[in-house]
Amino acid sequence: AQTVTQSQPEMSVQEAETVTLSCTYDTSESDYYLFWYKQPPSRQMILVIRQEAYKQQNATENRFSVNFQKAAKSFSLKISDSQLGDAAMYFCACLISGTYKYIFGTGTRLKVLA
Amino acid sequence: NAGVTQTPKFRVLKTGQSMTLLCAQDMNHEYMYWYRQDPGMGLRLIHYSVGEGTTAKGEVPDGYNVSRLKKQNFLLGLESAAPSQTSVYFCASSYFGNYEQYFGPGTRLTVT
Repeated sequence: AQTVTQSQPEMSVQEAETVTLSCTYDTSESDYYLFWYKQPPSRQMILVIRQEAYKQQNATENRFSVNFQKAAKSFSLKISDSQLGDAAMYFCACLISGTYKYIFGTGTRLKVLA
Repeated sequence: NAGVTQTPKFRVLKTGQSMTLLCAQDMNHEYMYWYRQDPGMGLRLIHYSVGEGTTAKGEVPDGYNVSRLKKQNFLLGLESAAPSQTSVYFCASSYFGNYEQYFGPGTRLTVT
């Protein structure tokens, strides 16, 4: 069975600084997708960034980037120039191609300090 | 577009009561999902549907039933609510070829 592990229940970062959220996953499949979702206090889940396993290049979206280490099964999220609006729960998720079943991690709560 | 909407937003039930949560999407997505979110547990998949008239079990299906009679709607039913079903329920949808899930705003359900 696939699993996704987020070992940091809570993280803090100073405004304008950089923070990295960790995620590891376990699957024997070779074709899969990885995601980071953000859940602010409003509860609305929003996609932050996605990575296809077959792509070696790390995905980036403005201030958000990932460090995808396929051999180590690691998928960390880096947030640069942190802003107060980045404060939220962040969930890592994995989707095995063709299965439709997303597996989510338990989340990391990010606090941004002014 | 309204995206994914959920009805109701909040509900309190007594043990043994039944209810139906409605999820609607106006994006013509083929796939729809129901999750529950509990503290420290992340999101867990209850049931999902890959098309109108089809449903399948997810990770935690016991105590829930679903139906997808119309492509745009995905209903989640609790026949006999239990306190263990107190949770926040999220509906999501996605379309073939794009694996991003679009989420609804959630329904907070309390079973006393």
